[in-house]
Amino acid sequence: DGGITQSPKYLFRKEGQNVTLSCEQNLNHDAMYWYRQDPGQGLRLIYYSQIVNDFQKGDIAEGYSVSREKKESFPLTVTSAQKNPTAFYLCASSILVRPNEQFFGPGTRLTVL
Amino acid sequence: AQSVSQHNHHVILSEAASLELGCNYSYGGTVNLFWYVQYPGQHLQLLLKYFSGDPLVKGIKGFEAEFIKSKFSFNLRKPSVQWSDTAEYFCAVGVSNDYKLSFGAGTTVTVRA
Repeated sequence: DGGITQSPKYLFRKEGQNVTLSCEQNLNHDAMYWYRQDPGQGLRLIYYSQIVNDFQKGDIAEGYSVSREKKESFPLTVTSAQKNPTAFYLCASSILVRPNEQFFGPGTRLTVL
Repeated sequence: AQSVSQHNHHVILSEAASLELGCNYSYGGTVNLFWYVQYPGQHLQLLLKYFSGDPLVKGIKGFEAEFIKSKFSFNLRKPSVQWSDTAEYFCAVGVSNDYKLSFGAGTTVTVRA
């Protein structure tokens, strides 16, 4: 059954700790994305990657880092430099010829205490 | 970068009422347009999409949207809502062949039985 998986569903961390969110897809999509969703603000793009070993900053990349070592995987690290990390994080993927048509994972809700 | 405006933050309807959600964007070039839906506790799903052709687009679950280029709008409609349509709805706009999707702030729709 093809799709995007994100783990864990809920994550709690203490302030000052880095945390890595997992995103895996078996859709054979080339491009992958990370968004942050906050109430009343819609989704905002953090990072995206078109191909393995390459990625670009989105609109709110500060305090985040990513890697793309495999086509299927695009983990996001929320660093201690992110001033307001508590949010719902969504991973998405798309094919290269239709990059706008993105498919989303179930999300990870991160709470920093 | 383009901006996307959704006119209503929260809409409350009774079952069988008609629904129309407004979406306007600010980019003058060729765009791809999307409506996504997020049901309570579920992941973001594509409701319908417009790339080219007939400006009246039909999606899943009886939803449709009309692209009016002169008004930079892509409004979502459903003639008769059901309780199960209770969800958050997001309009998204992408520039053709660009990887970035810009999302509106979302509209929460509550359908009362």
